Amino acid sequence: AQKITQTQPGMFVQEKEAVTLDCTYDTSDPSYGLFWYKQPSSGEMIFLIYQGSYDQQNATEGRYSLNFQKARKSANLVISASQLGDSAMYFCAMREGRLGNNDMRFGAGTRLTVKP
Amino acid sequence: NAGVTQTPKFQVLKTGQSMTLQCAQDMNHEYMSWYRLDPGMGLRLIHYSVGAGITDQGEVPNGYNVSRSTTEDFPLRLLSAAPSQTSVYFCASSSGTGHAEAFFGQGTRLTVV
Repeated sequence: AQKITQTQPGMFVQEKEAVTLDCTYDTSDPSYGLFWYKQPSSGEMIFLIYQGSYDQQNATEGRYSLNFQKARKSANLVISASQLGDSAMYFCAMREGRLGNNDMRFGAGTRLTVKP
Repeated sequence: NAGVTQTPKFQVLKTGQSMTLQCAQDMNHEYMSWYRLDPGMGLRLIHYSVGAGITDQGEVPNGYNVSRSTTEDFPLRLLSAAPSQTSVYFCASSSGTGHAEAFFGQGTRLTVV
């Protein structure tokens, strides 16, 4: 069974600094995808970044990067140059790639607060 | 491009009442799912569908019913609302491949009193 763990219920970061949000996962499937979503106070779920299990390089999307350590089964989200608008809930998710399994499972989330 | 449209945005129910949360997508996605979001629990999968006419249970299916008569629509029915079903509900769709991102509706904040 899939399991996603986010051990940081809340994080604080100073504006313009970088912050790392932790995510570990557990799967026996060699093919899987890892996702990060942001939920601002307005409530919608916003897709941020994706990493495939066979990808050789860490994914990057603007100020977001994913620190993928396959052997450790970790997929930490790094946000560089934090902005006040980055204050939100962040969810890590995984979907296994085996045929017929399309469930996306989520961690409990981390609430990030950016201080001015 | 509307994406995933979910209604209503807010709802208050009395214990024992039933209701249907509507979800529609216009991206021709085969895979659709319903989640509930609770503090400290993250999003938990209620039911999902891999195509019209096919549905299956997720992690927390009890008290909920779904059907998928068309590719576009995937309604979630609460059969007899209970206070434990107070939550924020999200509908999502994806192309169905293992590495495809999920697109989410706006969410429904449901309170059962």
